[in-house]
Amino acid sequence: QVQLVESGGGVVQPGGSLRLSCVASGFTFSMFGMHWVRQSPGKGLEWVSFIQYGGSEIYYADSVKGRLTISRDDSKNTLYLRMNNLRREDTAVYYCATSVVAAATVVVPWGQGALVTVSS
Amino acid sequence: EIVLTQSPGTLSSSPGERATLSCRASQSVTARSLAWYQQKPGQPPRLVIYGISSRATGIPDRFSGSGSGTDFTLTISRLEPEDFAVYYCQQYGYSPFSFGPGTKVNIK
Repeated sequence: QVQLVESGGGVVQPGGSLRLSCVASGFTFSMFGMHWVRQSPGKGLEWVSFIQYGGSEIYYADSVKGRLTISRDDSKNTLYLRMNNLRREDTAVYYCATSVVAAATVVVPWGQGALVTVSS
Repeated sequence: EIVLTQSPGTLSSSPGERATLSCRASQSVTARSLAWYQQKPGQPPRLVIYGISSRATGIPDRFSGSGSGTDFTLTISRLEPEDFAVYYCQQYGYSPFSFGPGTKVNIK
């Protein structure tokens, strides 16, 4: 079954840290770039970060640069997002997604997301 | 940075009607790197269109995408009850891979 499953969300105090994971199955994870996208409650989609296949290119939104770190372990078919120095405005559901260019080969549905709540 | 604007913000239509959604980019989108997503309440986004006009697997042919440069359109030829949702465009040619603010298609 082609799927992405996020985990690792939770409630954390401002300044705290979390690590999100996204486990891929049913497709060749190592062949595709991967994104993290977030959605604050009642708001639209915000792109967060991207890592190319092989990790050769990494990009971040300005709003998270220096605080969030994307990485991948192709041996475990897993994408990560290390989140440090969290702020209240980081509260959101975090989704992982394949690069859109993958759609020509396989369409991988987004997972249900991981809810991160930053609150004291 | 490419900023995407979508119009209208809300579209009120009836089942069977045609819906036309617009996405405008602040600068030219490279290499046909424009996608559309559908999101229903409580669900993750679903890819509808990629490469401006290619339908994702499983998307019915009443959905079509068009445009070039900075102006793009998602057309739903005859709205079905399951099409009422929020639609986002995204450019994935240059980082930051920005999304538009969304168009909500609701039932009139």
